[in-house]
Amino acid sequence: AQTVTQSQPEMSVQEAETVTLSCTYDTSESDYYLFWYKQPPSRQMILVIRQEAYKQQNATENRFSVNFQKAAKSFSLKISDSQLGDAAMYFCAYRSHNQGGKLIFGQGTELSVKP
Amino acid sequence: GAGVSQTPSNKVTEKGKYVELRCDPISGHTALYWYRQSLGQGPEFLIYFQGTGAADDSGLPNDRFFAVRPEGSVSTLKIQRTERGDSAMYLCASGEQPNTEAFFGQGTRLTVV
Repeated sequence: AQTVTQSQPEMSVQEAETVTLSCTYDTSESDYYLFWYKQPPSRQMILVIRQEAYKQQNATENRFSVNFQKAAKSFSLKISDSQLGDAAMYFCAYRSHNQGGKLIFGQGTELSVKP
Repeated sequence: GAGVSQTPSNKVTEKGKYVELRCDPISGHTALYWYRQSLGQGPEFLIYFQGTGAADDSGLPNDRFFAVRPEGSVSTLKIQRTERGDSAMYLCASGEQPNTEAFFGQGTRLTVV
């Protein structure tokens, strides 16, 4: 069975600075997808960025980028130029290529942004 | 509607009672997922529908939990004989197809007292 681990329960960053959130996962599959979701206090889970395992190039979405290390099974999220609105819970998630789309989530990292 | 809608937003019920949680997916989305999120934890998969049928219900914790999607759109998660341990946020998500991006609702916070 696949597992996702986020070892940082809480992280803090100064506004305009850069922060990296860590995620490791375990799987025996070679084809899968990885995601970072943001869950603000409003509760709605919002997709931040996704990475296909077969792509070597790291995904980037504006201020958000990932460092995907397939051999090490590591998938970290870098947030550049942090903004107050980035404060939220961040979840790393895994999706198998052939299990209908269900997501396996990590425990989450609570990010606070200091003005 | 524009997004996934879950009702009610909050539900308080007494131990032993029956509850129903509703999910209205994005129109046209064939895949629908239910997750349960305990306080301070990540969501855990409960069940996945493709159309009207439950394609994967491996996450349902026991036979007190049941979900339906009779017409392939709205889904209802049903919990019988609720226990205090059932208290959690219940999240619903939908996708155009399996393995496409899933869009989440705002969840139903269930409290069993």
